[in-house]
Amino acid sequence: AQSVSQHNHHVILSEAASLELGCNYSYGGTVNLFWYVQYPGQHLQLLLKYFSGDPLVKGIKGFEAEFIKSKFSFNLRKPSVQWSDTAEYFCAVRPGNTGKLIFGQGTTLQVKP
Amino acid sequence: DAGVIQSPRHEVTEMGQEVTLRCKPISGHDYLFWYRQTMMRGLELLIYFNNNVPIDDSGMPEDRFSAKMPNASFSTLKIQPSEPRDSAVYFCASSLGRRGLYNTEAFFGQGTRLTVV
Repeated sequence: AQSVSQHNHHVILSEAASLELGCNYSYGGTVNLFWYVQYPGQHLQLLLKYFSGDPLVKGIKGFEAEFIKSKFSFNLRKPSVQWSDTAEYFCAVRPGNTGKLIFGQGTTLQVKP
Repeated sequence: DAGVIQSPRHEVTEMGQEVTLRCKPISGHDYLFWYRQTMMRGLELLIYFNNNVPIDDSGMPEDRFSAKMPNASFSTLKIQPSEPRDSAVYFCASSLGRRGLYNTEAFFGQGTRLTVV
């Protein structure tokens, strides 16, 4: 069955530290990949997405992600986090042959001022 | 567009009662998803529709859960009878989905926080 795995469940960083959140998926065909963010008490919002082309994609608020097809990975990065980045981050996969949208378990990021 | 609209935002009910959650997708979107979010299980896909037709309901926990989409602008998720373990935040999302591509993101509603006591 298709699945999405996020390695880190809870990450604590100080402001200005660099961030990398891991995401792996299990699906052998064409995939569309997403990272969403959920700020406390709010709904999910799109951070960035990858469909095709350059495997390094840039999103809002200085986030970027790299698609590595051989590793079935789509890791999220930010060079320098801010306190306002405190939120839950979700990786999601939409296989290219189905409308289904599957999410990982989520990673809670806490940034200390 | 007002985005995906869910109602109610909060629902507190007693065990055994019927609960109905409502969702209005973004106009023109042909995919609609229902998710359940809990601390233990994260964001689970319960069911999704394409052009008002249920495509995959394998995530629906049990027969107490049912979902319908009578038209393109409305969907319901019903729990009957409700149990305390159903307490969670339920999200509805909608998206476009061109066949064979599906390279569009989903837009989420604000969610319904359900508490069953």
